[in-house]
Amino acid sequence: ETGVTQSPTHLIKTRGQQVTLRCSSQSGHNTVSWYQQALGQGPQFIFQYYREEENGRGNFPPRFSGLQFPNYSSELNVNALELDDSALYLCASSWDGGVDEQFFGPGTRLTVL
Amino acid sequence: QKEVEQNSGPLSVPEGAIASLNCTYSDRVSQSFFWYRQYSGKSPELIMSIYSNGDKEDGRFTAQLNKASQYVSLLIRDSQPSDSATYLCAVDSGNTPLVFGKGTRLSVIA
Repeated sequence: ETGVTQSPTHLIKTRGQQVTLRCSSQSGHNTVSWYQQALGQGPQFIFQYYREEENGRGNFPPRFSGLQFPNYSSELNVNALELDDSALYLCASSWDGGVDEQFFGPGTRLTVL
Repeated sequence: QKEVEQNSGPLSVPEGAIASLNCTYSDRVSQSFFWYRQYSGKSPELIMSIYSNGDKEDGRFTAQLNKASQYVSLLIRDSQPSDSATYLCAVDSGNTPLVFGKGTRLSVIA
């Protein structure tokens, strides 16, 4: 069984740039949820993808967008980066959106300068 | 706005003592409750889930839920220095993914 993986591990960008983060879900899982965790805060839900469709979105602006592919891997894209976008970005995979069997990846640390 | 509140700590306990972590939530229809442990720089790891009122024990961990008071807690018995981490309380209301608290930082002193 393969766990949730994310890439890259760390990333440094400047304000205004665009970034793409990637997540491979755990084997057998069809749902990916993305979270943003700022320093000293709990994870904040960005959106969820289920069978390649967006299935719920948190309070994040449209410059945060995503995709899910037929193999259930997912991308998070952030346009026009702002300093406050600096955070740990976590993806979590599960089966059919269930949160009781939701497993987090190691995260991508994004720094915006 | 669904909210989950935790004392940010740090909570310091001596090795071998019981650590008590508390969490309150605002959404009365919440059905599922989770405790995650997060070591510095790492991702959250699920350690306990609880769905009905009362206590649930798993090894040194006990989760307690009181839906009438909208309160969930985590007890860690025989605390070890390796338990030093941030503990995140998360709540699921069934129609949205998890809402997390800010976490309580626990420090177990040897």
